[in-house]
Amino acid sequence: AQRVTQPEKLLSVFKGAPVELKCNYSYSGSPELFWYVQYSRQRLQLLLRHISRESIKGFTADLNKGETSFHLKKPFAQEEDSAMYYCAPPYFKLIFGTGTRLQVFP
Amino acid sequence: DVKVTQSSRYLVKRTGEKVFLECVQDMDHENMFWYRQDPGLGLRLIYFSYDVKMKEKGDIPEGYSVSREKKERFSLILESASTNQTSMYLCASSVVSYEQYFGPGTRLTVT
Repeated sequence: AQRVTQPEKLLSVFKGAPVELKCNYSYSGSPELFWYVQYSRQRLQLLLRHISRESIKGFTADLNKGETSFHLKKPFAQEEDSAMYYCAPPYFKLIFGTGTRLQVFP
Repeated sequence: DVKVTQSSRYLVKRTGEKVFLECVQDMDHENMFWYRQDPGLGLRLIYFSYDVKMKEKGDIPEGYSVSREKKERFSLILESASTNQTSMYLCASSVVSYEQYFGPGTRLTVT
């Protein structure tokens, strides 16, 4: 099955510290990956997609085909970034990563 | 804005009851999905549908069935609810190979 792996269940940082949420994928072909975010008491929503190469809320994600990774990065974490983050491929049988909870302490 | 709505935010049912979870989307999306979300396990796909009356099993279909009689509506059915089906259930819809839009979730407790 096409799968992504998020090795960290919990990532805790202090405000202003850099953040990197890891995502590795295990399928061949040209991947097109997404990052989704779920803030407390809100619905799961798209954060950013690989193909658009955009920066949303200061987050970026670069596809590294050699390492088969799509890590989510932000140079300076904010408290409002605290949330669950999921990495996912967009294919028909989507298999989300298990998610990483990011906690940003003041 | 795409709207995906789910019939209940919270639901409490007894073991053995038949449970229906309804999901409606208003953007004419072909694909619809049902997931359950559990701490430490992330999102697990139960079933998905790529067209009316079409369905495919996801990772954890056991104990569940689905129905899609109309394009905008996708129902998840627990034939005989059990305590291990206590979970948050998320519905989503998408156009093929694009982002998914999620509903607010239904927190189901089976006692």
